[in-house]
Amino acid sequence: QKEVEQDPGPLSVPEGAIVSLNCTYSNSAFQYFMWYRQYSRKGPELLMYTYSSGNKEDGRFTAQVDKSSKYISLFIRDSQPSDSATYLCAMYSSASKIIFGSGTRLSIRP
Amino acid sequence: DTAVSQTPKYLVTQMGNDKSIKCEQNLGHDTMYWYKQDSKKFLKIMFSYNNKELIINETVPNRFSPKSPDKAHLNLHINSLELGDSAVYFCASSRSAGELFFGEGSRLTVL
Repeated sequence: QKEVEQDPGPLSVPEGAIVSLNCTYSNSAFQYFMWYRQYSRKGPELLMYTYSSGNKEDGRFTAQVDKSSKYISLFIRDSQPSDSATYLCAMYSSASKIIFGSGTRLSIRP
Repeated sequence: DTAVSQTPKYLVTQMGNDKSIKCEQNLGHDTMYWYKQDSKKFLKIMFSYNNKELIINETVPNRFSPKSPDKAHLNLHINSLELGDSAVYFCASSRSAGELFFGEGSRLTVL
């Protein structure tokens, strides 16, 4: 079983829709939870970073962490075509290792 | 002014050859990484260096040898390339837990 599971998609939604992306994990030692966005032929870039259970909001993006269920989510409100990318969840433990999910490919239709 | 730069961006080579990828960061970070991303976009850590010292060495064939001459540089040398080594290799640096800054990637194709 992989330490981090993420549905690869692809996920296609119309412009303006709310998008929900999710990951589950098995290692309770994970302390920090991140979402990275990767455009085609580019390196991943950090989008959201949280370390506690609950919600964190940044503009149209909300990251949610539920440590008791070992489940994290990223919500995108008012989705735009420019949000089309692959979204990777990532988790960090005290072993200095960052483990990535397999990524969900998202496409926003104009 | 690129924060994490890798060269070359593209590599096409024959099986059995040796190749190197270079990485430099100008962010002043202490920790640098090499990640491998396969065709299904799965990003897997290979190595991590902190201040020139190897701190993570995942289960990677010993044909792969990282080298960090100083904390701003992390190079990757690959001997006897195999078809399965074809992937995009990303260099990254970090200042704090989980906050990685990635380069643009080096796309390696082994024929």
